[in-house]
Amino acid sequence: QVQLVQSGSELKKPGASVKVSCKASGYTFTSYAMNWVRQAPGQGLEWMGWINTNTGNPTYAQGFTGRFVFSLDTSVSTAYLQISSLKAEDTAVYYCAREGYCSGGSCYYYYYMDVWGKGTTVTVSS
Amino acid sequence: QSALTQPASVSGSPGQSITISCTGTSSDVGGYNYVSWYQQHPGKAPKLMIYEVSNRPSGVSNRFSGSKSGNTASLTISGLQAEDEADYYCSSYTSSSTPFYVFGTGTKVTVL
Repeated sequence: QVQLVQSGSELKKPGASVKVSCKASGYTFTSYAMNWVRQAPGQGLEWMGWINTNTGNPTYAQGFTGRFVFSLDTSVSTAYLQISSLKAEDTAVYYCAREGYCSGGSCYYYYYMDVWGKGTTVTVSS
Repeated sequence: QSALTQPASVSGSPGQSITISCTGTSSDVGGYNYVSWYQQHPGKAPKLMIYEVSNRPSGVSNRFSGSKSGNTASLTISGLQAEDEADYYCSSYTSSSTPFYVFGTGTKVTVL
């Protein structure tokens, strides 16, 4: 079945880096864009941005530029979120979520996310 | 970009209907039919319940319905069941540069 399997929880110290993975199965990875969504403890959902799985071109939401990097390894149908110079306020659950349709280098965004990973908890604490 | 406004909580008895509102602006909810709704149980990932204002994905109960009027979208749950107790988030495309998505503040639905 269609699913996104995310990597396990991470405990990091301030200033460190973390790389979260999101492995897709049950569909053609490069046929859909991938979003990243953050949820801080007890808070709502916050869209971080998305990545075109055809070209690897990322788009970052305001507030998620600089320390946040989206990447792909299409050979293993996996998307990655890397966060550098971690801060306590980066403590959150990070979700990957599929959307839209990609083909021939372009993605057509539908503005809804139909398949979600179970989330990866990143805790930043000294 | 400000979040869409939702009531913090809504409650109802089993079998009743409840409606959750989601208020934005003409740059998001009011300007486009790209409103979606997500259900999130505690400790779980969000689940898509409604897309493009009123469409239900395959497998979602027809007790869930969506609508929009002006800058406000609504999610109605009819025949409320215990399993509907969860947090609900609306989302919309926004033309206000990036982010292209804006989520609502979230509503806790309690089944009495």
